[in-house]
Amino acid sequence: TQLLEQSPQFLSIQEGENLTVYCNSSSVFSSLQWYRQEPGEGPVLLVTVVTGGEVKKLKRLTFQFGDARKDSSLHITAAQPGDTGLYLCAGMKSGGSYIPTFGRGTSLIVHP
Amino acid sequence: EPEVTQTPSHQVTQMGQEVILRCVPISNHLYFYWYRQILGQKVEFLVSFYNNEISEKSEIFDDQFSVERPDGSNFTLKIRSTKLEDSAMYFCASSEVIRSGGGYTFGSGTRLTVV
Repeated sequence: TQLLEQSPQFLSIQEGENLTVYCNSSSVFSSLQWYRQEPGEGPVLLVTVVTGGEVKKLKRLTFQFGDARKDSSLHITAAQPGDTGLYLCAGMKSGGSYIPTFGRGTSLIVHP
Repeated sequence: EPEVTQTPSHQVTQMGQEVILRCVPISNHLYFYWYRQILGQKVEFLVSFYNNEISEKSEIFDDQFSVERPDGSNFTLKIRSTKLEDSAMYFCASSEVIRSGGGYTFGSGTRLTVV
């Protein structure tokens, strides 16, 4: 089973700051997904990236898939308290099953 | 927006008892999944289900676990004899297709507490 490492594990910032969280692996992925999970709720899909080097934007969130399809980043511009949550990446291994494997997540708190 | 519905939201059971967790996937979705998340740990895949049979399962999904689609709408996870370490959030998910780049919709989960 491939290991998806997410960093940092915890992040506490002030409203208005920018931040980047990372998802890294030694495995190549056919696609990678980012989810946000709030306490007591299920993960909610934010984006799927498929092509190496791909960049996708979702309002203030920018997602990038590494050229080698082994890593990804999520950048949030001007963070708001509503961005608070657990950000999870999940990868589908290239040549493997279509079942996503999750990382442990980055817990983000944005203080007003 | 269509959603995956899970019941109950919280279940407390005694060790050794059987529990059934229920899910109603999105109506036009064909693939169904169960995941679990032990407190403070990552979301772990248990099993996937397609065309009325298990298509894939993890090593966690041992003989104590079973899944069923008893009718056209419900998808259930049964744990035959619960153990303390089964305490976790259990998430059901569904997807329309299964392919790289396919999206999953998760339910809000059932928190199972085994005492």
